[in-house]
Amino acid sequence: AQSVTQPDIHITVSEGASLELRCNYSYGATPYLFWYVQSPGQGLQLLLKYFSGDTLVQGIKGFEAEFKRSQSSFNLRKPSVHWSDAAEYFCAVVSNSGYALNFGKGTSLLVTP
Amino acid sequence: DTGVSQNPRHKITKRGQNVTFRCDPISEHNRLYWYRQTLGQGPEFLTYFQNEAQLEKSRLLSDRFSAERPKGSFSTLEIQRTEQGDSAMYLCASSLAGGGRGETQYFGPGTRLLVL
Repeated sequence: AQSVTQPDIHITVSEGASLELRCNYSYGATPYLFWYVQSPGQGLQLLLKYFSGDTLVQGIKGFEAEFKRSQSSFNLRKPSVHWSDAAEYFCAVVSNSGYALNFGKGTSLLVTP
Repeated sequence: DTGVSQNPRHKITKRGQNVTFRCDPISEHNRLYWYRQTLGQGPEFLTYFQNEAQLEKSRLLSDRFSAERPKGSFSTLEIQRTEQGDSAMYLCASSLAGGGRGETQYFGPGTRLLVL
C-alpha cells in the first residue's frame, strides 16, 4: 500500500533560517503527494501538491517542494521561516484503492527567536 | 464559501454511550471523507462518500462505527458503545469530484472526542 514516512518528529529552526522537512514515499508508479499544515485549533490546510509535470512545486505561504523519483522523496522547503510557521506538518499520498489520503506521522516545527 | 464545518467541536462521554458527529461539507462538494487522528499521529482514513454512496471503508471502521450521508449533503458519524480507545479527533473533509486522484481535500476543524 502507498505510504509516506516523515523521519523527523520534531524540528527546531531559528526565525529567518531556511527549512527542509523530509518525506519519503513508497509507491511503484508516480504518486499523488500532498503537504498539509495543522496549527493548534485549526483544520488541516493544503500547502501544495504534486502528481505530474514540473517536479518543483510552489505552494502557499512561500513553501515549495521537490519530487525526486530517484530518492522516493518529496521534501518541503522554505527559504526563510517566520514565527507563524510553527505548526505540525503532514505529508500524504493518495491510496491506490481510491481517493483516501495516507498521512505520515507528522513533523512538529518549532521556531525560535 | 464557509468551509467545512463540524459539530460539536468537543464531546465528552462515558464509556458505553453512543455519540454522533455531524459534518457539513463545502457546498457543491460531492465527495466527503472521515478521518481519525490520535495524539502524535497523522490522520487515518475511515470512510468516504461520493454523493450519498459510501464507496470505501477502512478496516479501522469497526462494526460500532456507522457513517451516513442521506441526501448527499451533510454527513453523520455515529459511534456506538464507545470505548476509551475511541478518544481521538474526528476530521471531516470534502472535495469536488473532477480533479481525479489529485483533487484537493478541504478539512474541517474536527470534533475532539474524550471517552471517560
